[in-house]
This record gives sequence, C-alpha cells and structure tokens, in this order.
Amino acid sequence: GENVEQHPSTLSVQEGDSAVIKCTYSDSASNYFPWYKQELGKRPQLIIDIRSNVGEKKDQRIAVTLNKTAKHFSLHITETQPEDSAVYFCAASRSGSARQLTFGSGTQLTVLP
Amino acid sequence: ETGVTQSPTHLIKTRGQQVTLRCSSQSGHNTVSWYQQALGQGPQFIFQYYREEENGRGNFPPRFSGLQFPNYSSELNVNALELDDSALYLCASSSSLRGLINEQFFGPGTRLTVL
Repeated sequence: GENVEQHPSTLSVQEGDSAVIKCTYSDSASNYFPWYKQELGKRPQLIIDIRSNVGEKKDQRIAVTLNKTAKHFSLHITETQPEDSAVYFCAASRSGSARQLTFGSGTQLTVLP
Repeated sequence: ETGVTQSPTHLIKTRGQQVTLRCSSQSGHNTVSWYQQALGQGPQFIFQYYREEENGRGNFPPRFSGLQFPNYSSELNVNALELDDSALYLCASSSSLRGLINEQFFGPGTRLTVL
C-alpha cells in the first residue's frame, strides 16, 4: 500500500519568514495530494491540494509543488504569521472508487513573533 | 467550518465494551470516510461508505464496522474495545461524481478514551 513520509517533524520560523514542509510517497499511482492544517483540539482543515496533472498550485501565501518523477511534494508558506502555527499533514491517494487518504506523520509549525 | 458534525464529542469506555460514533455529512455529500487519529500521529483510514455500502477498508480488524443511512449520515461501531482504541475518530465527508471522490472535509471528531 501507499506510504507517505513527512519532514521535518517540527519547524520553527520567525514571523515573516517562509516555511517549507516536504513529503514523499511510494505509490506511483497516487494522483491526488491534499494538505491539511490541524490546530490543537480542532479538526483537520483542507488548505490546498494538487492533482498529478499539474506541477504547482498557489493560493495567496500558500503554494504546493509536485514532482511526480521523484514522488515528492512540498508545501510552501510565505510571509508566515503567528496564526499559521499548527500541525500540518500531507496526504496522498490514488483514483478509484475509494479515495483513501494516506497521511504523513505531521509537522508542528511554530511561528515566533 | 465545514458542515460535517460528529457526536458525541467525548466518550469514556472500559475494555471489552462496545461504542457507536455518529457522523452527519455536509449537505450535498454522499460519501463518508472514517479515520482514527492516535495522539501525535496522522489520521489512519478505517473505511469509507458510499451509497450505503462499504467502499474500501484500511488495515483495521472486523470489530470495526459501520453503516451509512439513506440521508448519507454514518455510524462507526467498535466492539470489544481495547486500550489501543483510545484515539480521536474523525469522519470526512465528500461528494462522488461518476465514482470519483472529491475533496474530503473533516468533522470535529470524537475523542474516545478506553480505560
């Protein structure tokens, strides 16, 4: 089955700096890669996703890049703010009748004021 | 916030007991997936329901079972509870078009503690 590895497990940045979180996946048939943000005690929230037919997607301060050949994808957050502090999860899934998400182990991002 | 709701919010059970967790999907969504999130880990896929039938299952034993109702709400049942079943149980709602599942939106979760 699919295996998703996520790095780093913790990341501290100064407010205004950029943050990058990287994930690799094992199943070459995976074609959908969402990113979720989970604040303490709250539900995971979908913040951005990318499908395998594109290499990059951007939404304001958040961008995701995908390298299908290397089987890795990354989340980039620019101009970080204290409210960006949370645990971020990457996930991968393949097309088919059951879009089972396989999650990475999470990255605790702390934005220092 | 998504329109996905779950009940109860918290639950405490003892080993060997049975538990039922409930999920109401977002309006217009016909697919519900259940995930188990242990402390400090990413969610793990339990199973998915589409049109009232199980539509995929992760690596969980048969004592984890579920149902989906005609209004697309869903239940997760766990029998013979074990200590390791203590976790946050999340349901995720999505729509399916021509068999393809779109983005999944999570509910707030049920925190289950097994003593």
